[in-house]
Amino acid sequence: SAVISQKPSRDICQRGTSLTIQCQVDSQVTMMFWYRQQPGQSLTLIATANQGSEATYESGFVIDKFPISRPNLTFSTLTVSNMSPEDSSIYLCRALGPSNTEAFFGQGTRLTVV
Amino acid sequence: GNSVTQMEGPVTLSEEAFLTINCTYTATGYPSLFWYVQYPGEGLQLLLKATKADDKGSNKGFEATYRKETTSFHLEKGSVQVSDSAVYFCALSSTGFQKLVFGTGTRLLVSP
Repeated sequence: SAVISQKPSRDICQRGTSLTIQCQVDSQVTMMFWYRQQPGQSLTLIATANQGSEATYESGFVIDKFPISRPNLTFSTLTVSNMSPEDSSIYLCRALGPSNTEAFFGQGTRLTVV
Repeated sequence: GNSVTQMEGPVTLSEEAFLTINCTYTATGYPSLFWYVQYPGEGLQLLLKATKADDKGSNKGFEATYRKETTSFHLEKGSVQVSDSAVYFCALSSTGFQKLVFGTGTRLLVSP
């Protein structure tokens, strides 16, 4: 199994600023994903992070607001840009193992925008 | 589109009580169904899964049966422990493990 280290675990940010969240996997994985969990709601997929190319975004999410990088097979970042209080959520990364039969999650980043 | 509905929490039980957390789904075709668990301070972990109708997934004393006729995948455990206190997420996917659709999660609190 893979271990994902996600950081920061939590942060409190001022509106209008940006925060970058990092996920490091201890082994090469085929696919990585970013999710948002707003208070009292289920996990919503933001985008699929593609290695060496632009991320694939789900409906309702755009690159200008949530730029994503994936420079190699073990690392990805999500930036929450120009934050507002509505961006206060838990953000999670997920990785899909090489056999595509297992999925691993980071511990999550609890973001509060004030 | 695909969706998952699970019972709201928190569910509060005494140790050794019987646990049921309800999960129903809406999907086209024949999705795979999953239960994930998130212990305090940790990431989500796969608890069990079922990939076709009437399959029973089981792990750590937890069980869930894929019921296509009632579009349900209820999580059960015969005797819960304090260490089972966590948030449980029901999920489905029509594309293997790639795109998962989650329920809102149910918090379980088990007291000694």
